[in-house]
Amino acid sequence: GQNIDQPTEMTATEGAIVQINCTYQTSGFNGLFWYQQHAGEAPTFLSYNVLDGLEEKGRFSSFLSRSKGYSYLLLKELQMKDSASYLCAVTFREAGTALIFGKGTTLSVSS
Amino acid sequence: SAVISQKPSRDICQRGTSLTIQCQVDSQVTMMFWYRQQPGQSLTLIATANQGSEATYESGFVIDKFPISRPNLTFSTLTVSNMSPEDSSIYLCSVEVPETDGYGYTFGSGTRLTVV
Repeated sequence: GQNIDQPTEMTATEGAIVQINCTYQTSGFNGLFWYQQHAGEAPTFLSYNVLDGLEEKGRFSSFLSRSKGYSYLLLKELQMKDSASYLCAVTFREAGTALIFGKGTTLSVSS
Repeated sequence: SAVISQKPSRDICQRGTSLTIQCQVDSQVTMMFWYRQQPGQSLTLIATANQGSEATYESGFVIDKFPISRPNLTFSTLTVSNMSPEDSSIYLCSVEVPETDGYGYTFGSGTRLTVV
């Protein structure tokens, strides 16, 4: 199974911190990606985790626990332009190298 | 990272007709992937296209409906055949590319298809 779950919607205010969680079935796990997608645009790459721990990239950080089948994307110092869909995607060995996406989390940032 | 040129960017088609979507990559890549994104939803993998062999389709997608060509390492097409309004979606191609800290996937800009 490849069930990838993440919350459907989240809201936050400018300057705040938000954490978007993602869980997945651990069998066959290869790596986990986070993508950002603004309405009407293609997804853009944010982060990649293959080992346990935290990867930090500026305002964005991503965490992975392979034993728990769990990841989160942490967005700090939120800006209005961060309003977008955030997609958790996983590669599984039985799916080759294709990305399998969760349903996405729509984040709305208000002033 | 790779740059993908995808066209058409959008089209409005009559039901029963077919549309072929093209993706051209500026570098050679082994695998290309085709996705569908229905309105308000996430991306669903249609198939994986490997140069020199038949595409591998995911459950719920068949070659007769979504034939794929992969004639070389920089180009692929997806055809949406015998279209119905339910095929109205955004279709995206993607390739795997090296990143500074591992690898990632680049996407074409998408084809917004409306079937009337």
